[in-house]
Amino acid sequence: AQTVTQSQPEMSVQEAETVTLSCTYDTSESDYYLFWYKQPPSRQMILVIRQEAYKQQNATENRFSVNFQKAAKSFSLKISDSQLGDAAMYFCAVKLVFGAGTILRVKS
Amino acid sequence: ETGVTQSPTHLIKTRGQQVTLRCSSQSGHNTVSWYQQALGQGPQFIFQYYREEENGRGNFPPRFSGLQFPNYSSELNVNALELDDSALYLCASSLGTAKYYEQYFGPGTRLTVT
Repeated sequence: AQTVTQSQPEMSVQEAETVTLSCTYDTSESDYYLFWYKQPPSRQMILVIRQEAYKQQNATENRFSVNFQKAAKSFSLKISDSQLGDAAMYFCAVKLVFGAGTILRVKS
Repeated sequence: ETGVTQSPTHLIKTRGQQVTLRCSSQSGHNTVSWYQQALGQGPQFIFQYYREEENGRGNFPPRFSGLQFPNYSSELNVNALELDDSALYLCASSLGTAKYYEQYFGPGTRLTVT
């Protein structure tokens, strides 16, 4: 069975600094997509970034980037220049399986 | 462009009853997926519908069933409700199978079973 593990239940970052959220997964497939979703308090879940497993280049979306290590089955999310609006629950997902989430708190 | 909507927002049911949750997909999307999210947990995949056919199912019993209509809106039905069914139910639509495509989530339906 496919699993997705987010080992950090909660993380804190100072405004304007950088934070990295970890995610590891297990799958037997070779072609798959990985996602990071953000769920702000009482608001809808939205996509942050997507990575195609067959692409070696790490995806980047403005202040958000990933470090995808296919052999290690690791898919971490780096948030640069953190902003107060980044505070949310972040979920890593591989295909249709989601991790348990990491609560990100941003301190001013 | 209208986003994903869900109804109702909140629902309280008694153990043993049946419930129907509704979802309208984003315009142009032909795939709808349903998730159960317990408090403080990640979403658990229930099933996915693609062009009115079930196209993948998670580890949920048959009392969880669904339907997708020609306009790609969808329903989730849960029979014989149990206390553990209390959760936030999320609907998400996508251009194709959610394994590969970005999912657009609705606000969810909060179900409480007493």
